Amino acid sequence: EVQLQQSGTALARPGASVKMSCKVSGYSFTSYWMHWVKQRPGQGLEWIGTIYPGNSDTTYNQKFKGKAKLTAVTSASTVYMELSSLTNEDSAVYYCATGTPYYFDYWGQGTTLTVSS
Amino acid sequence: DIQMTQTTSSLSGSLGDRVTISCRASQDISNYLNWYQQKPDGTVKLLIYYTSRLHSGVPSRFSGSGSGTDYSLIISNLEQEDIATYFCQQGNMLPRTFGGGTKLEIK
Repeated sequence: EVQLQQSGTALARPGASVKMSCKVSGYSFTSYWMHWVKQRPGQGLEWIGTIYPGNSDTTYNQKFKGKAKLTAVTSASTVYMELSSLTNEDSAVYYCATGTPYYFDYWGQGTTLTVSS
Repeated sequence: DIQMTQTTSSLSGSLGDRVTISCRASQDISNYLNWYQQKPDGTVKLLIYYTSRLHSGVPSRFSGSGSGTDYSLIISNLEQEDIATYFCQQGNMLPRTFGGGTKLEIK
């Protein structure tokens, strides 16, 4: 069974950085792309970017360049996303989702980030 | 960026009904259109990929159709467990983009 387990709720100050994780099991970690998607309260979904753990190749939505950084640790079957220079606009639920470059087969449960002073 | 529009933000149907959810792309996306279901607890699942291909484990009452810029998700024989918000997503060009979602309720 494919499982994506995301890190828990995060609280951060404006201007700070936060790093969240997505640990996978049940499939070959290095063979599929891992995407990250943002959802603000009551809003739709925004694609942040993707990483291919097999070679750490990354592609970002231009909107999130400089804001998000994706990394992968193959020994831990875990992908990380670091968000920097946080503002209230970064408060959202962040999902990791694995799949092909074109669609996202399996999703994590989401990590809620609250940015507040 | 390709804009994905779901003109119906909410929709209601009775148990056993057939419902259709529509999605329009701002340009031809060559059938690279996928559908997701988000349950009220936030859980997201892939239903349909490449316009009409059913993802593993998805009930056959879900189907998809379309071409060019216009696509549809059809749910036949509506069940209580289908209460959710449905999003379309294009995979033709970067960045990947989603529709705003259609919330499905049971009458």
